[in-house]
Amino acid sequence: NAGVTQTPKFRVLKTGQSMTLLCAQDMNHEYMYWYRQDPGMGLRLIHYSVGEGTTAKGEVPDGYNVSRLKKQNFLLGLESAAPSQTSVYFCATWPGRESNQPQHFGDGTRLSIL
Amino acid sequence: QQQVKQSPQSLIVQKGGISIINCAYENTAFDYFPWYQQFPGKGPALLIAIRPDVSEKKEGRFTISFNKSAKQFSLHIMDSQPGDSATYFCAAFDNYGQNFVFGPGTRLSVLP
Repeated sequence: NAGVTQTPKFRVLKTGQSMTLLCAQDMNHEYMYWYRQDPGMGLRLIHYSVGEGTTAKGEVPDGYNVSRLKKQNFLLGLESAAPSQTSVYFCATWPGRESNQPQHFGDGTRLSIL
Repeated sequence: QQQVKQSPQSLIVQKGGISIINCAYENTAFDYFPWYQQFPGKGPALLIAIRPDVSEKKEGRFTISFNKSAKQFSLHIMDSQPGDSATYFCAAFDNYGQNFVFGPGTRLSVLP
């Protein structure tokens, strides 16, 4: 039981390149979230999904796109990477408020944009 | 604009001491308040959580105190240990937006 798996773990990109971060979960959770973590800023929500086929914007969505074609996967895309997107990206899942369970986080993707 | 404010930014405590981290919020749609612990290179993991109908919750050495009228809540770590050295985040669930909002974090160092 892997829980929440993020790939890749590390990546270095050049400005203008594109890439996709993958979040995969095996817990059958409805909700999935993408956050970025920067020093002194905590975790800021980029996009999230409340179920398969749905997506919604969070606090800092600009420059990112997401897709949730399958319930177990939530993809975060950077179409044209910028140095300001250098960060650690975390994916989280949540079964919903009725479950009385917390969010489950992956171990992060460390992304550097040169 | 931070929806959840957290202080202090960093905290140094001697082994055996009490660590106290405070958080405050304004949004009345927030109705579930978890605390997360994060070690370097890892994702945050739930430490303890509370709902607003309870004023205090204790799990082992960790206690959350919640003041609904003041919109404040705090984490107390009793008998702090070097293994508690980590970054702690308070968070709140936005019942309207169906997402979690995090404080900026507190880096705790417990000296042996």
